[in-house]
Amino acid sequence: EIVLTQSPNFQSVSPKERVTITCRASQSVGNSLHWYQQRPGQSPKLLIKSASQSMSGVPSRFSGSGSGTVFTLTISSLEAEDAAAYFCHQSSALPLTFGGGTKVEIK
Amino acid sequence: EVQLFESGGGVVQPGGSLRLSCAASGVAFHSYAMNWVRQAPGKGLAWVSHISGSGGVTYYADSVKGRFTISRDNSKNIMYLQMNSLRVEDTAVYFCAKSPTVIGAFDVWGQGARVTVSS
Repeated sequence: EIVLTQSPNFQSVSPKERVTITCRASQSVGNSLHWYQQRPGQSPKLLIKSASQSMSGVPSRFSGSGSGTVFTLTISSLEAEDAAAYFCHQSSALPLTFGGGTKVEIK
Repeated sequence: EVQLFESGGGVVQPGGSLRLSCAASGVAFHSYAMNWVRQAPGKGLAWVSHISGSGGVTYYADSVKGRFTISRDNSKNIMYLQMNSLRVEDTAVYFCAKSPTVIGAFDVWGQGARVTVSS
């Protein structure tokens, strides 16, 4: 099983600051790594697919990078609506797995 | 645009059974794969099961293999998750999610169905 380790687990950030979340895979997943945002009480929403492809309608402040075993989700300038949990997910091998999540709080 | 709606959640005793449904709106239901993902209270996301567009290929997480069965009826645009021999640790919100194939991202999610296994 491919284990995805996200860091940090929690981040308290002021508006307009930059947020960087890392997802490390226990073995290479190529670029089959995707990022989701889950606001409190809501279902997850796909932000970035295949490591770096932004989904339609997702604000441009969200970007993804990386390949192989290390990936990054960046929020260039944090806004109040970005308070949420963020999860990475690999679809390179079964079983499909998710990272443990990163909770972003607005300071 | 595809929308997904889960139903069938509820409270069941350990050892009991429950069937979840996921209804899809929009066209070409048969053309995409579907998945179940669950989230235990206060926890992260965990993939449960996958079914191909035709329904001919299915995969399961080890934790549910032999107890849960995924299926779909493309004539009705509905996917199912039959859950038998339920355990307390199966308590979670169950989401259905669409993907292009097993190796794709989950690009559309339902609102979730809450399953509580408790005596």
